[in-house]
Amino acid sequence: QSVLTQPPSASGTPGQRVTISCSGSSSNIGRNTVNWYQQLPGTAPKLLIYSNHQRPSGVPDRFSGSQSGTSASLAISGLQSEDEADYYCAAWDDGLHGPVFGGGTKLTVL
Amino acid sequence: EVQLVESGGGLVKPGGSLRLSCAASGFTFSNAWMTWVRQAPGKGLEWVGRIKSKTDGGTTDYAAPVKGRFTISRDDSTNTLYLQMDSLKTEDTAVYYCTTDLSSMLDSWGQGTLLSVSS
Repeated sequence: QSVLTQPPSASGTPGQRVTISCSGSSSNIGRNTVNWYQQLPGTAPKLLIYSNHQRPSGVPDRFSGSQSGTSASLAISGLQSEDEADYYCAAWDDGLHGPVFGGGTKLTVL
Repeated sequence: EVQLVESGGGLVKPGGSLRLSCAASGFTFSNAWMTWVRQAPGKGLEWVGRIKSKTDGGTTDYAAPVKGRFTISRDDSTNTLYLQMDSLKTEDTAVYYCTTDLSSMLDSWGQGTLLSVSS
């Protein structure tokens, strides 16, 4: 049972826009910024979005993040086949004194 | 280019011990906070613990499931991060990743090393 709640799956067709939600509480997302990680099949996770909406160098601007209250979301526009991956949200939790992750969302490009 | 290379994984019996290593290069390791994250087979990511840089106190923090059994340490002279795991349980079976940690933003990851705990 993950502290942050994500839908287990999401899907879209090439070119579509999809969003993935991440729900938390006042001890994590409500007080701290959210990071998103992308894990392509068989590989290590990679930082995709940090501080709610910032993109590391090299991440396409098709990926965007937002946060409001105790929830956050990741949006992917112009969906491409190479976006098929697992996506995880994460945030520091003041009560647990460590970062907590969502359970992950498996994105399928139809 | 930042490189993190984990090693030391393997098969261990319940109750046993193992030490993982993470060789770092491409950045000033001594200034970096470092974190271990694990991923059980077919499951999501789980924070294991972190160690701060010596200039920030060098202190460690651990997730509840591993506190008292796992110890994170670092050797800044060899740019190596360690994870000493004792009293291993079957539920510790996972791929273990070392990462750089910038205010809980895990911006560089190693390829991971697999620990299997089984009798």
